[in-house]
Amino acid sequence: AQSVAQPEDQVNVAEGNPLTVKCTYSVSGNPYLFWYVQYPNRGLQFLLKYITGDNLVKGSYGFEAEFNKSQTSFHLKKPSALVSDSALYFCAVRDKGAGDKIIFGKGTRLHILP
Amino acid sequence: DGGITQSPKYLFRKEGQNVTLSCEQNLNHDAMYWYRQDPGQGLRLIYYSQIVNDFQKGDIAEGYSVSREKKESFPLTVTSAQKNPTAFYLCASSIQGDSPLHFGNGTRLTVT
Repeated sequence: AQSVAQPEDQVNVAEGNPLTVKCTYSVSGNPYLFWYVQYPNRGLQFLLKYITGDNLVKGSYGFEAEFNKSQTSFHLKKPSALVSDSALYFCAVRDKGAGDKIIFGKGTRLHILP
Repeated sequence: DGGITQSPKYLFRKEGQNVTLSCEQNLNHDAMYWYRQDPGQGLRLIYYSQIVNDFQKGDIAEGYSVSREKKESFPLTVTSAQKNPTAFYLCASSIQGDSPLHFGNGTRLTVT
């Protein structure tokens, strides 16, 4: 069965510093991997995805993520954090061999300190 | 503008009553999903549908039912059998394959 783990409930980063939000996954086949962001009382917004190809993918608002097949990880990164990046971030996986079932991690709350 | 509409934004019901949450999309997407969000538990998949007149149970389908009679619509019924129905419910859709999900803004259901 596919699964996603986000080991940190909360991450605190000073504004201007680099940030990393961690994600590991488990699937039986090859994964499609996604990151989403959620602001209070709203739906999720898509940030970026890895399907195939270059292990470093770039997305919206200056975010990027690195796919590491050997470590089954897909960590979200940004070189310089903004206060406006404070939100709830979700990693998700779609198992290519399991149809269109998409599973999410529990989420990581990111606090950017001014 | 294309998008997903969930209504109502807030819903209050008495225990023992069934309630139906609406989800409509005009994106011409084949696949639609219902997730439940609880604090500290992330998003959990209730039901999903890849095509009209077909749907599959997710990880927490007990106490819920869905229908997919039209491509644009995927209503979720929370039945009285659902033991803890108070939650934030999110509907999403996507083109099948490697496309990301598009989410509605959610319905917050409170059952007392």
